[in-house]
Amino acid sequence: EVQLVESGGGLVQPGGSLRLSCAASGFAFSTYWMHWVRQVPGKGLVWVSRINTGGSDTNYADSVKGRFTISRDNAKNTLYLQMNSLRADDTAVYYCASGCLGTNCHKYWGQGTVVTVSS
Amino acid sequence: DIQMTQSPSSLSASVGDRVAITCRASQSIDNYLNWYQQKPGKAPKLLIYAVSSLQTGVPSRFSGSGSGTYFTLTISCLQPEDFATYYCQQSHSTPLTFGGGTKVEIK
Repeated sequence: EVQLVESGGGLVQPGGSLRLSCAASGFAFSTYWMHWVRQVPGKGLVWVSRINTGGSDTNYADSVKGRFTISRDNAKNTLYLQMNSLRADDTAVYYCASGCLGTNCHKYWGQGTVVTVSS
Repeated sequence: DIQMTQSPSSLSASVGDRVAITCRASQSIDNYLNWYQQKPGKAPKLLIYAVSSLQTGVPSRFSGSGSGTYFTLTISCLQPEDFATYYCQQSHSTPLTFGGGTKVEIK
């Protein structure tokens, strides 16, 4: 069974940092690009970042560029999102999602972890 | 950035109805168009990728069509479990962008 399990969310003050993790199992993690997507409750989906299979190529949404860093450890089947200089508008549910083999989409999704940025 | 415009933003339909949701891209995205279904409190689920390819396990009543900048998700015979929010996504170029969503409600 494919599983993506996010952790690391919580309440943090503006300007603070959090590190999200996403543990993958049930599929060949190292062969998939991986992504982070976020969603403010009641609002739409927003793509945040992606990383290639080897971890050498990354992309970010403008809203998080320079503050967030995506990385992965293929030996541990784990995806990370280091979030620094957090702002109130970063408050959202953060989903990790796999890419798709042979095309660009999100095949597998985690259940999400909630990040709340508030004083 | 490529803007994705979905319409309608919501619709009411009955079980057995045929439903169509449209998605327009601000520029050509070739066939890099995906559709997701999301139910309240749940993660999105991939329905269709590359315009018209049905993800494994997705019922055949879901279909996708279109090209260039105009795309359609059709549900041929709405079932009770189809009441959800649907999102299109372009994966042609980063930042990957989603449409605003279409909430399908029970009439």
